[in-house]
Amino acid sequence: AQTVTQSQPEMSVQEAETVTLSCTYDTSESDYYLFWYKQPPSRQMILVIRQEAYKQQNATENRFSVNFQKAAKSFSLKISDSQLGDAAMYFCAYRSVNNAGNMLTFGGGTRLMVKP
Amino acid sequence: DAGVIQSPRHEVTEMGQEVTLRCKPISGHNSLFWYRQTMMRGLELLIYFNNNVPIDDSGMPEDRFSAKMPNASFSTLKIQPSEPRDSAVYFCASSWQGGTGNIQYFGAGTRLSVL
Repeated sequence: AQTVTQSQPEMSVQEAETVTLSCTYDTSESDYYLFWYKQPPSRQMILVIRQEAYKQQNATENRFSVNFQKAAKSFSLKISDSQLGDAAMYFCAYRSVNNAGNMLTFGGGTRLMVKP
Repeated sequence: DAGVIQSPRHEVTEMGQEVTLRCKPISGHNSLFWYRQTMMRGLELLIYFNNNVPIDDSGMPEDRFSAKMPNASFSTLKIQPSEPRDSAVYFCASSWQGGTGNIQYFGAGTRLSVL
């Protein structure tokens, strides 16, 4: 079974600065998807960014980018020019390509605080 | 699209009562998922459906929990009888299996408190 680990329970960043959230995972599969979801105080789970394991190029979405290191099984999220609205819980998630459904395995989450 | 719609947003009940949580997936999606979020255990998958058929319910904690999907636009998660340890936020998510990445879209969740 796959596992996802987020080793940073909490992180803080100054507004306009850059912060990196860590995620590692354990799998024996060669093809899979990785996701970062954001959960603000409203509780809504919002997809931030997605990475296909077969793609070497790191995914980017505006101020959000990932550093995907397949050999190291690492998938970190970088937030540039942090904004107050970025304050939230961030969850890393793994999905196998091979399972019959789209089941996600989530990490424990990192709480990001943004200081004005 | 209105997104995944869950009701109620909050539910407070007493131990032993039956609780029914509801979910309307995004129109056109063919997979539906129920998750539970607690401080102790994080986000756990309870059950998921493909084309209205339950595929994997191994995450359902015990027989007190049941889920149904009578049609493509509606699903329920029922707890009978409820216990205080069932207190959590329950999320429903839907996706289109077959698309690139099979992205899951989440509802706003139902916060359940069992007294």
